[in-house]
Amino acid sequence: NTKITQSPRYLILGRANKSLECEQHLGHNAMYWYKQSAEKPPELMFLYNLKQLIRNETVPSRFIPECPDSSKLLLHISAVDPEDSAVYFCASSSRQSERLFFGHGTKLSVL
Amino acid sequence: GDQVEQSPSALSLHEGTGSALRCNFTTTMRAVQWFRKNSRGSLINLFYLASGTKENGRLKSAFDSKERYSTLHIRDAQLEDSGTYFCAAGMSNYNVLYFGSGTKLTVEP
Repeated sequence: NTKITQSPRYLILGRANKSLECEQHLGHNAMYWYKQSAEKPPELMFLYNLKQLIRNETVPSRFIPECPDSSKLLLHISAVDPEDSAVYFCASSSRQSERLFFGHGTKLSVL
Repeated sequence: GDQVEQSPSALSLHEGTGSALRCNFTTTMRAVQWFRKNSRGSLINLFYLASGTKENGRLKSAFDSKERYSTLHIRDAQLEDSGTYFCAAGMSNYNVLYFGSGTKLTVEP
């Protein structure tokens, strides 16, 4: 799937600040950040619909989402914790309740 | 989450055989989606169903909202079908998907 691009692909951090980026070229109105640990199902972190934050799951305050326009999504991470090691997926759908498409993910490893 | 029960948790198939995965829902769901996480770690959307059945190659999915379940049938399994399969469903006017716990499928020669 090259229509939802995420960067970086891999991220190794100590206690540093970093941002994940996502851009979708599907013309979708809803964008999401999901966290997937090991073989568990993806967990919703944030949902944006038409640039508005609709649902903010209970995630640590060191994760801050940003939606500069309807096709882009950022996830700012500060002072990461080892428990944050996971794959972070960006996803989008045409509307909130429609078919969901995932980016290839960013694998975050916290040292 | 607790709204979705997926089974089996693991499945091993020989090439050329088939089987079915199932998700039961504790409440009425509006639509269901099926995903596969492949060996590269990508989550691929296989199906989106609001009702009935859909078929795509060797995969076929069914969704019965009233009976509160969905199935994913795999026939003539190939090595590249290996991965972890997740169902996900949402209620009316939902803004969140409830994921099943996943089925790890291994296809062996």
